[in-house]
Amino acid sequence: QQPVQSPQAVILREGEDAVINCSSSKALYSVHWYRQKHGEAPVFLMILLKGGEQKGHEKISASFNEKKQQSSLYLTASQLSYSGTYFCGTAWMDSSYKLIFGSGTRLLVRP
Amino acid sequence: DAGVTQSPTHLIKTRGQQVTLRCSPKSGHDTVSWYQQALGQGPQFIFQYYEEEERQRGNFPDRFSGHQFPNYSSELNVNALWLGDSALYLCASSLSGQTNYGYTFGSGTRLTVV
Repeated sequence: QQPVQSPQAVILREGEDAVINCSSSKALYSVHWYRQKHGEAPVFLMILLKGGEQKGHEKISASFNEKKQQSSLYLTASQLSYSGTYFCGTAWMDSSYKLIFGSGTRLLVRP
Repeated sequence: DAGVTQSPTHLIKTRGQQVTLRCSPKSGHDTVSWYQQALGQGPQFIFQYYEEEERQRGNFPDRFSGHQFPNYSSELNVNALWLGDSALYLCASSLSGQTNYGYTFGSGTRLTVV
């Protein structure tokens, strides 16, 4: 049931790019992305709805491949503040109000 | 604009005891979802409350129960605590019970069962 995230951990130098993937075993209604820093609450980044859209701003964006039931989060020109654990949350078409989270991807950006 | 408020922030209980955790949603939100997060893991869905009813439940035993009040605040009750219940309990609020809106999380209640 839980979406599968990859990779489990990433270490970057400041300014490098990263991609985090999230895949589901069932047809998706929505995909959420959150970032959680140590000892803090998860913070909402963006949501992608059924329809294959891509969203985000200049340096953090995401895509949703409806056919593959996958989403990817793109972090461009990473900053130190990007460090944290990234979670994707997925809701299936047959239970669109139930958001299930993956196990997370730990991202560390070093100077 | 106040976000999601959870209380207490930390709690230590003994095995077999009962605990009540509280959550006030973000202003304008009417839906509350509860999650359990073990150290180093993703949040695990416990249940969601919308219009004062349990809308959907995750894979948690009946020892876990909840309630939503007319002002949309919510409580999570856990009976017969055991060591494995030690975790961070997160409350998330949203609109209309649907997942086409982002969730706002509280800072959580850290429960330790000894």
